[in-house]
Amino acid sequence: DAGVIQSPRHEVTEMGQEVTLRCKPISGHNSLFWYRQTMMRGLELLIYFNNNVPIDDSGMPEDRFSAKMPNASFSTLKIQPSEPRDSAVYFCASSLFTGPQETQYFGPGTRLLVL
Amino acid sequence: DQQVKQNSPSLSVQEGRISILNCDYTNSMFDYFLWYKKYPAEGPTFLISISSIKDKNEDGRFTVFLNKSAKHLSLHIVPSQPGDSAVYFCAASVNSGNTPLVFGKGTRLSVIA
Repeated sequence: DAGVIQSPRHEVTEMGQEVTLRCKPISGHNSLFWYRQTMMRGLELLIYFNNNVPIDDSGMPEDRFSAKMPNASFSTLKIQPSEPRDSAVYFCASSLFTGPQETQYFGPGTRLLVL
Repeated sequence: DQQVKQNSPSLSVQEGRISILNCDYTNSMFDYFLWYKKYPAEGPTFLISISSIKDKNEDGRFTVFLNKSAKHLSLHIVPSQPGDSAVYFCAASVNSGNTPLVFGKGTRLSVIA
């Protein structure tokens, strides 16, 4: 199995530019999660989807962040405009909820640097 | 307010000895707990989990203990190996999954040969 695929692996951009991060979940999984990791805050949830529907976006820092999941095999996280404080590693994770417990599987992450 | 806390940012252990990583939580609704391991430049990988109906789960060299009354769990690795050197994250969820995981900030384990 391919695992969760994220692209790009590294992104360097200038403040004010639009950044789009991409995620392909594991085939057959029905939940998708976007996390951000920083030194100060650790791993924090930004948004998650169940069956392609956004369930909780309370972790999205501000309106500059948006996420979509147009189908079961693809999701994007967009930052527009980007700011230096957005520099972090962004992880996508997916899971298959069959109850009673499920495990989330993480992609390798996208390391974002905003100059 | 951190709901999942890993109070030791780092831990060093001699190869062959036991590593004990600790985690405390505050939300009594948590009923499923996981440990993830993370190597540099990689995503976290699932290691072991435990449901709140159990107090121990073992998988090879890895054992997780849960003390619900103390809201505390720990991961034991024995014997520790140099390849175990990584950052370990404790995570918890409500309703046994299908909800976001709440992560601790991680503990960096260094196993010294």
